[in-house]
Amino acid sequence: DAKTTQPTSMDCAEGRAANLPCNHSTISGNEYVYWYRQIHSQGPQYIIHGLKNNETNEMASLIITEDRKSSTLILPHATLRDTAVYYCIVRAYGQNFVFGPGTRLSVLP
Amino acid sequence: GAGVSQSPSNKVTEKGKDVELRCDPISGHTALYWYRQSLGQGLEFLIYFQGNSAPDKSGLPSDRFSAERTGGSVSTLTIQRTQQEDSAVYLCASSLWGTPFQEQYFGPGTRLTVT
Repeated sequence: DAKTTQPTSMDCAEGRAANLPCNHSTISGNEYVYWYRQIHSQGPQYIIHGLKNNETNEMASLIITEDRKSSTLILPHATLRDTAVYYCIVRAYGQNFVFGPGTRLSVLP
Repeated sequence: GAGVSQSPSNKVTEKGKDVELRCDPISGHTALYWYRQSLGQGLEFLIYFQGNSAPDKSGLPSDRFSAERTGGSVSTLTIQRTQQEDSAVYLCASSLWGTPFQEQYFGPGTRLTVT
């Protein structure tokens, strides 16, 4: 059973913020939310992760709702190079990563 | 620094032949993972190693698939008597075990085509 649900695809204009949603309504208290992305023909790339607080790094921001049942990955100024499949994953320490189909983000010029 | 490397990058083989795929993890990473990704699909977990042992082999699709890891470093995924449905990109990842977050670092993959 999938632990996360994401839209199949999204478009975003270059230079605008890309907001990618993820639902994880059955998340357990010890499970983190991870985001990876996979650019065409490359291996997946780690983006960011969090438990309950919002997180920000040089690549993106992660906003987790207070009930932790959903989250949003924000790419503040999307570029054409951000076109990729974005995977939202929930896992606890020691569990394996299970990748669903993800969201295909297309950044348009 | 050096990342995860995999070889070969591309492999074309005839149905029924055996293939070996190699993964060199990041130096010092004790955990190593194998995944595969069929065309247009998400990642499918196959197996992981903690050191040289594989506590979880549940993802291997059949007994034609096996993997080993020696010296806590290089790993080989072997597919015997390949079938056309084995065609996919096989990805290897490594991570530091024992840290809370265990970000996995992925290699570029091996594209296997069974004809």
